[in-house]
Amino acid sequence: DGGITQSPKYLFRKEGQNVTLSCEQNLNHDAMYWYRQDPGQGLRLIYYSQIVNDFQKGDIAEGYSVSREKKESFPLTVTSAQKNPTAFYLCASSPVGGGRGYNEQFFGPGTRLTVL
Amino acid sequence: KNQVEQSPQSLIILEGKNCTLQCNYTVSPFSNLRWYKQDTGRGPVSLTIMTFSENTKSNGRYTATLDADTKQSSLHITASQLSDSASYICVVTSNDYKLSFGAGTTVTVRA
Repeated sequence: DGGITQSPKYLFRKEGQNVTLSCEQNLNHDAMYWYRQDPGQGLRLIYYSQIVNDFQKGDIAEGYSVSREKKESFPLTVTSAQKNPTAFYLCASSPVGGGRGYNEQFFGPGTRLTVL
Repeated sequence: KNQVEQSPQSLIILEGKNCTLQCNYTVSPFSNLRWYKQDTGRGPVSLTIMTFSENTKSNGRYTATLDADTKQSSLHITASQLSDSASYICVVTSNDYKLSFGAGTTVTVRA
């Protein structure tokens, strides 16, 4: 059963704590992405990785960090430097390029992070 | 700046009725446009994709249209069902594979 899994589904964090969100895929996709979703706004790209051991900042990378040690895994750490971390976080994956013009991203079920 | 604007922000329809969602974009150069459906608390799922040369694409009761000249797209839902209650997101991709996401339209179908 192929797909993308994210854990946990809900996460609560105290101010000043770092937390790590898990994302795993078994679709054999090379590219993986992290997005943040806030009410009334479109998804915003945090980080993305096109290949193992390489990743690039997206539009809102400040206060976040990632690693890509395995093709299947792309964990996101929300650090204490992120001033407004409460949001819905979505992980996605796609074949590299997805073929010219066809780059469908497959999304995981998301993690809702709440800072207490 | 590449932008994607969706309207309305939300709408409520009765079960069995039709509705149309709008998407206007300024993304250039244009590669393709997708409509995603996102159920509450879940990740988005692709409904349709259209490239520059395609002006309509159907997926069951969902029909998307594209006017690349005016940079407008619409998603038409026919004979709505309760399961259609969700957020519908328009995503436009440029030729360098950068995605621009609309804020979405929240559709509520009532019995």
